[in-house]
Amino acid sequence: DTGVSQDPRHKITKRGQNVTFRCDPISEHNRLYWYRQTLGQGPEFLTYFQNEAQLEKSRLLSDRFSAERPKGSFSTLEIQRTEQGDSAMYLCASSSRDRVLSGYTFGSGTRLTVV
Amino acid sequence: AQTVTQSQPEMSVQEAETVTLSCTYDTSESDYYLFWYKQPPSRQMILVIRQEAYKQQNATENRFSVNFQKAAKSFSLKISDSQLGDAAMYFCAYRSETGANNLFFGTGTRLTVIP
Repeated sequence: DTGVSQDPRHKITKRGQNVTFRCDPISEHNRLYWYRQTLGQGPEFLTYFQNEAQLEKSRLLSDRFSAERPKGSFSTLEIQRTEQGDSAMYLCASSSRDRVLSGYTFGSGTRLTVV
Repeated sequence: AQTVTQSQPEMSVQEAETVTLSCTYDTSESDYYLFWYKQPPSRQMILVIRQEAYKQQNATENRFSVNFQKAAKSFSLKISDSQLGDAAMYFCAYRSETGANNLFFGTGTRLTVIP
């Protein structure tokens, strides 16, 4: 297992288009998180899955955002009708329920630019 | 809600010297976890060190150590014998022991190591 994978690494889209990002967590991790990081800021929590269940959603996650984790494996984050304010790095992380002190393993992120 | 404050946007250190990065947090909880993450330029975030709030002993990982002051809600990171590879953004993060499963991050400190 090579860690958390995110695809694509970079995405440039026109305002109003829909985009979808994918995250493949570490296989034995049952918890998966999505964060958003803008320039000069720390990551901000978006949503959390335990297995296939989406258990927490931030108020940052507007109606244009939707996340899924079918079968409790990979996850997708979709942004509909993108706006320039959506430009950011989208980070995925995974963790094991039984190993909180191991922290999260982060992916390299997907950098979204909305033009 | 928990907040994490990193008051030093940028720090610099001479190679082989010691530097301390500051972090304070606000919480009403008694049990929680604290983390320092390192984010090198264009690379993924990695865990540097972690601390359980119920432990009085400060965590140490090789050249990295923390000064955890629970009453003061302070969690600073000391890097000894700084190396060029330590140059990165450093984020302090808080995680509740119960309730919310997500990490709350500070805004980060950019560390420059001067040869």
